[in-house]
Amino acid sequence: AQKVTQAQTEISVVEKEDVTLDCVYETRDTTYYLFWYKQPPSGELVFLIRRNSFDEQNEISGRYSWNFQKSTSSFNFTITASQVVDSAVYFCALRGFYFNKFYFGSGTKLNVKP
Amino acid sequence: DSGVTQTPKHLITATGQRVTLRCSPRSGDLSVYWYQQSLDQGLQFLIHYYNGEERAKGNILERFSAQQFPDLHSELNLSSLELGDSALYFCASSPGQGENGYTFGSGTRLTVV
Repeated sequence: AQKVTQAQTEISVVEKEDVTLDCVYETRDTTYYLFWYKQPPSGELVFLIRRNSFDEQNEISGRYSWNFQKSTSSFNFTITASQVVDSAVYFCALRGFYFNKFYFGSGTKLNVKP
Repeated sequence: DSGVTQTPKHLITATGQRVTLRCSPRSGDLSVYWYQQSLDQGLQFLIHYYNGEERAKGNILERFSAQQFPDLHSELNLSSLELGDSALYFCASSPGQGENGYTFGSGTRLTVV
């Protein structure tokens, strides 16, 4: 079975705080792909990052960083020095190797207050 | 602009009616996916087409159907609409089978009254 759990329903922070969004996944596939998407208030879904199961290197892109740990089946997302524009719903997603459909988590709503 | 075009952006219709949602994938993308986003169900996969052929089906109701045309655009048909069908319907596209992620359209917000 494939499953993505985002236990944090909603997080509120004050601007410039660091925040980590958690993502835990379940899959029996040995090859799989993990993604993060951002959904701002305007509603569109914006691709942020992709990771395959063989690449456990952490990645940093500006204020964004991702920590992928196969041992704990987690793919967490950290925003450093958060800004109001980061306010959105963030989705973690899993695509198995054999089935070309994405399993999305329920999303974490991030509120960044000025 | 993501390159994936969905029309219309908003749709209000009555129960029992039928509507068609349209999606033009990003240039060069052969795969089209449809997702439904509702408050209680989150993002639910409906169906995937690759180069005109249906490749995967998710939790798509029998009242719903889709197709991908030779020019690769896709339509999602929703019939005998119920209040519970009110949701945001997303189309996404990818060059292949989605290993590198999807590009989503801006969605069609359907309200059934």
